[in-house]
Amino acid sequence: AQSVSQHNHHVILSEAASLELGCNYSYGGTVNLFWYVQYPGQHLQLLLKYFSGDPLVKGIKGFEAEFIKSKFSFNLRKPSVQWSDTAEYFCAFYTGGFKTIFGAGTRLFVKA
Amino acid sequence: KAGVTQTPRYLIKTRGQQVTLSCSPISGHRSVSWYQQTPGQGLQFLFEYFSETQRNKGNFPGRFSGRQFSNSRSEMNVSTLELGDSALYLCASSLEAQEHEQYFGPGTRLTVT
Repeated sequence: AQSVSQHNHHVILSEAASLELGCNYSYGGTVNLFWYVQYPGQHLQLLLKYFSGDPLVKGIKGFEAEFIKSKFSFNLRKPSVQWSDTAEYFCAFYTGGFKTIFGAGTRLFVKA
Repeated sequence: KAGVTQTPRYLIKTRGQQVTLSCSPISGHRSVSWYQQTPGQGLQFLFEYFSETQRNKGNFPGRFSGRQFSNSRSEMNVSTLELGDSALYLCASSLEAQEHEQYFGPGTRLTVT
């Protein structure tokens, strides 16, 4: 079955620490990959996306993600987190068929 | 441009009742998807509509149904509510050309007692 695995459910970091959130998907074909973010009290919004081309994609607020096809991974990174990055992060993929598969989410708490 | 709107924002219902939730997509968006969000489960896909046609459905019982109107507005209905249906129900819209990049509404928080 198609699924997304996010390695950490909860992550606590201090400001200025580096962030890497793991994401692996299970599907053998072509995928569109997404990271969405849900800040406290706000709508879920798109952070970044990969459709094709350069596997290193950059998103808003200094986030980036790297698609490694051989590992079925799409890890999210940020060199230096801020308190305002406290949020829940969701990895997702779309294979066609009008259905996007989401991971369970990772709650990030950044200590000021 | 106005975002995705969902009504109502909060609902409290009793087991056995039914509920209807509404979603208005971004103007020009014709694809509407519905998700159930619960802690630890992430977003579970319910169904997707385009031009009043359901194109895909998730693994939910038949108590969960939906429809889309000619103006792309969508409703979902849950009949015979169970305690486990308590969740945040999210609606998302997308342009068909955007490879399913989705724009989410604020959600409807449903509590079943």
